[in-house]
Amino acid sequence: SQQGEEDPQALSIQEGENATMNCSYKTSINNLQWYRQNSGRGLVHLILIRSNEREKHSGRLRVTLDTSKKSSSLLITASRAADTASYFCATSLGKLIFGQGTELSVKP
Amino acid sequence: DVKVTQSSRYLVKRTGEKVFLECVQDMDHENMFWYRQDPGLGLRLIYFSYDVKMKEKGDIPEGYSVSREKKERFSLILESASTNQTSMYLCASSMASGERADTQYFGPGTRLTVL
Repeated sequence: SQQGEEDPQALSIQEGENATMNCSYKTSINNLQWYRQNSGRGLVHLILIRSNEREKHSGRLRVTLDTSKKSSSLLITASRAADTASYFCATSLGKLIFGQGTELSVKP
Repeated sequence: DVKVTQSSRYLVKRTGEKVFLECVQDMDHENMFWYRQDPGLGLRLIYFSYDVKMKEKGDIPEGYSVSREKKERFSLILESASTNQTSMYLCASSMASGERADTQYFGPGTRLTVL
């Protein structure tokens, strides 16, 4: 059964705008991770947030976690065309379970 | 930097062939994983391994087997390839413990087409 579900499935924005992607999950977790996948390539780890953390930053990325609502969001600020990719959340409770991803398109 | 390599980027095989997909990691990671990725279905775990000669079934092991004879190498085997195994196959590795234990490092993927 699907654990993480991303929303929206696809997002198209202009360069310089912020992009927000959301992830909802069903069971308790140890941590939640976000990965990025460029077209036809492997996944690259972006950021990990533990279940006792509420917010984490890494460069232009900001991740929040609300365990009471079983949801997380990934914010990419000042987006660039190079941010165009699919973004996946993955929940961890022993093993990683990936959502289906959000396709982000950043137009120059 | 962790490097995970996969033996082929693209592979075309015929129905009934035995197919080997190889994955090698250079960071002495204990854990290794094989996923397949299909449109609309996301990433699904086929098999994983926590140690040499150890393997565990994932969510969709049917039609696949694995081999881990050395710590750095994890092979996925399709005993008799079928057209419904056409997919993108992704290998990943992770540490068993420590700060980054849960983070998985992925290879570039093998796009397998079974005709």
